[in-house]
Amino acid sequence: DAGVIQSPRHEVTEMGQEVTLRCKPISGHNSLFWYRQTMMRGLELLIYFNNNVPIDDSGMPEDRFSAKMPNASFSTLKIQPSEPRDSAVYFCASSFRAGMETQYFGPGTRLLVL
Amino acid sequence: DQQVKQNSPSLSVQEGRISILNCDYTNSMFDYFLWYKKYPAEGPTFLISISSIKDKNEDGRFTVFLNKSAKHLSLHIVPSQPGDSAVYFCAAREGNQFYFGTGTSLTVIP
Repeated sequence: DAGVIQSPRHEVTEMGQEVTLRCKPISGHNSLFWYRQTMMRGLELLIYFNNNVPIDDSGMPEDRFSAKMPNASFSTLKIQPSEPRDSAVYFCASSFRAGMETQYFGPGTRLLVL
Repeated sequence: DQQVKQNSPSLSVQEGRISILNCDYTNSMFDYFLWYKKYPAEGPTFLISISSIKDKNEDGRFTVFLNKSAKHLSLHIVPSQPGDSAVYFCAAREGNQFYFGTGTSLTVIP
């Protein structure tokens, strides 16, 4: 398996623009997680899905952030409008089921909002 | 508020010596603890874990110790190798959620 795939790997955009991050989980995994990594807070869970259904989005910072999982093999994290403080590395991870000891992370998307 | 804390942002160790990475947590409901390793431009990868019912788990050069009374977790790497240079994240589980620390950057000096 190719592992968790994320795109783009890098994104530079201007404040106010819409940003869409994409994730393809490992085939057969039923849970998908979106994390944000910053120096100050480390890895923060934004939202996770179980069987394509959002279970907990309490980590989503604001209404500007939204996430979807239309099918078992694809998820998006959208920021609209983007702000400079959204600059971070965004990771997608998947596991066979939520709460499994091991989550498999993608390589991340490094976002810079100017 | 951070429920999982790694108070040392960086650590340097000579090759062959022991590396000790520390992690503190505040939530007594955590039932599982993990360490992840992250190289630049890659996602974190699972390294080792320990259940809250144990106080030690060993896997080759890596040993994790859990002190529940102190709410303290540590990762020992011995002997340290240059390839161990990476950022190490401590994580803890409550229910279906994992909480991560801010990471410690380990540099092993040849």
